[in-house]
Amino acid sequence: DADVTQTPRNRITKTGKRIMLECSQTKGHDRMYWYRQDPGLGLRLIYYSFDVKDINKGEISDGYSVSRQAQAKFSLSLESAIPNQTALYFCATSAGLRTHNEQFFGPGTRLTVL
Amino acid sequence: QKEVEQNSGPLSVPEGAIASLNCTYSDRGSQSFFWYRQYSGKSPELIMFIYSNGDKEDGRFTAQLNKASQYVSLLIRDSQPSDSATYLCAPSRGSGYNKLIFGAGTRLAVHP
Repeated sequence: DADVTQTPRNRITKTGKRIMLECSQTKGHDRMYWYRQDPGLGLRLIYYSFDVKDINKGEISDGYSVSRQAQAKFSLSLESAIPNQTALYFCATSAGLRTHNEQFFGPGTRLTVL
Repeated sequence: QKEVEQNSGPLSVPEGAIASLNCTYSDRGSQSFFWYRQYSGKSPELIMFIYSNGDKEDGRFTAQLNKASQYVSLLIRDSQPSDSATYLCAPSRGSGYNKLIFGAGTRLAVHP
């Protein structure tokens, strides 16, 4: 089945460490997104990419960077992790043009920064 | 005012009843409206979307949209305990279909 995968699924790290979260998809979608979810705040957009050469900041990009290595791969990095980046992180994809841009989510990465 | 408002719940309904989940949004340019279901600790799962005023039915689910009132709802008929989850409302941002704005969700509890 066409799918969205994320690695790692869980990660515990310490303040100041560099962390990379990876997302891969076999849906053939052009558009990819990174969100974080905190209790009571819903999903907030960190970065998004509409194709390999297109990267855009979302609502809360400070402290994060991304890399779109290929159509199917979109990585999120925390250059120097801090405790308030503890959250559930989701990658999503969408087909974009000729659709209503419905988004499909990966299983998520639970990140804890001590 | 939040861009997307949902009652956090929990909304408690008996098995077999109709659950009504409501959402208001502030961006008049929103074109498409999505409903996602999220079980605790899991990823959001798309249930359905609507983009025209009125009702759209898909199995036990009906989405209702009123753009003039900036209101969208989701009805779940014959609610089952397996429907117990958090339901996220997500209008598209602006006049394009580029991004979604997610509400914080309504927690639904269906009791036997």
